[in-house]
Formats: sequence, C-alpha cells, structure tokens
Amino acid sequence: EPEVTQTPSHQVTQMGQEVILRCVPISNHLYFYWYRQILGQKVEFLVSFYNNEISEKSEIFDDQFSVERPDGSNFTLKIRSTKLEDSAMYFCASSVQRGSYNEQFFGPGTRLTVL
Amino acid sequence: AQSVTQPDIHITVSEGASLELRCNYSYGATPYLFWYVQSPGQGLQLLLKYFSGDTLVQGIKGFEAEFKRSQSSFNLRKPSVHWSDAAEYFCAVGDTTGANNLFFGTGTRLTVIP
Repeated sequence: EPEVTQTPSHQVTQMGQEVILRCVPISNHLYFYWYRQILGQKVEFLVSFYNNEISEKSEIFDDQFSVERPDGSNFTLKIRSTKLEDSAMYFCASSVQRGSYNEQFFGPGTRLTVL
Repeated sequence: AQSVTQPDIHITVSEGASLELRCNYSYGATPYLFWYVQSPGQGLQLLLKYFSGDTLVQGIKGFEAEFKRSQSSFNLRKPSVHWSDAAEYFCAVGDTTGANNLFFGTGTRLTVIP
C-alpha cells in the first residue's frame, strides 16, 4: 500500500541553523501539506501546496518557513534560522484532491530538536 | 474559529473492555469530522470520517463514532478493545468551505492493559 515517507525521523540542530525536512508524498497525489505538533499541544496546520505554489498557510508559517517541490517526488519544508520554539514533530501529508473531505495521508513525522 | 477539544489526555482500559474517547468541536456550521490514530513510529491513519447523513459512522478496526449536533460532539467508540489498539487518537475538524487544512485536538493516549 502506498504511503507517505519522511526523512529524517529525528533531526537535532543548533539554534540559528537552517534545516530541511523531506517528504515523499504518494505518487498520484496532487496536494501536499505540512503540520506540526509541539510536545503536549495540538497538531497545527502550517501550509498546503498545489501546482508548485502555496495554496493556504497559517499564521505560524512566516518568513522563516518555505516549502518546495524540487523534483517530481520530494516535498520539502525549510526552516531558516531555527529557534528553540521550533522544536516539534513535523508531519507531511498528501491528498488526491483539494478540500478537507479528501483523505489526507500522513507520514510518520520528523522530530526536530533545536538546542 | 474552528477548534477541537479532547478532554482526556490519557485513558487506560482493560483488554476486552469497551472504549469511548471524547471529542468536542467548535465550528460555525456542520463541519467535516475525523478521527485519526497514530501508532508509535507510524503516521496518522484515518479511522473514520463524517460529512453528512447518518450520524453514526463506522470505521476501520471496529471503531465507530457518533455525531451529536446538540452537544457539538463526535465521540469515538469501540465495544471491545484489543491490545493492538494502544495508540494516540486524534479528533479533527475540516473546513467545509473548500480549504484543505484540518484542525486537530491535542490527542488522547490509549493504554490497554491485559
């Protein structure tokens, strides 16, 4: 069964460094998402992406963040100049179509630790 | 604004016992409602969803949920829990205007004891 994969599973970085989190969505899916979950808090929507551009973004998704689909398979989240409060689990998801009624398939997450 | 509340952070049940996980939502209209499960090291897996129609929805792994508009609730139930059901369970609300994003609760961790 096709699945969303994410690498790395755990990333440790120093405050101020840049990190790139990688995701491989399901191959025939067209919509891609990033969510994050700070320990003990809700899973929060960051951004959705379609046709090589951002479709929606939350207020969390500021200039520190960017997303890219550099090739036909990968979908990346870049965090510039990481802060301690960026420590969280980051989930990638993909869906066939737009609209939240379409099932979003989630990856296992990348745990980011900023020291 | 949409929001989801899962009042139980951690629940422990005995194997074979019944289970109910609570979820309350805040939304201006009837939302799309979802339950996801996350096992250790795995992604969030969709258990079931409600869009309209019959307020009792059946999902995978023997789970069901009931939408109660008057209580703004969408509680997840299972009549007999198995040890493999131990996981984190997330309730989520989807926007009905066509936007993609889901709004999640904080999750409920289920422990199953023999």
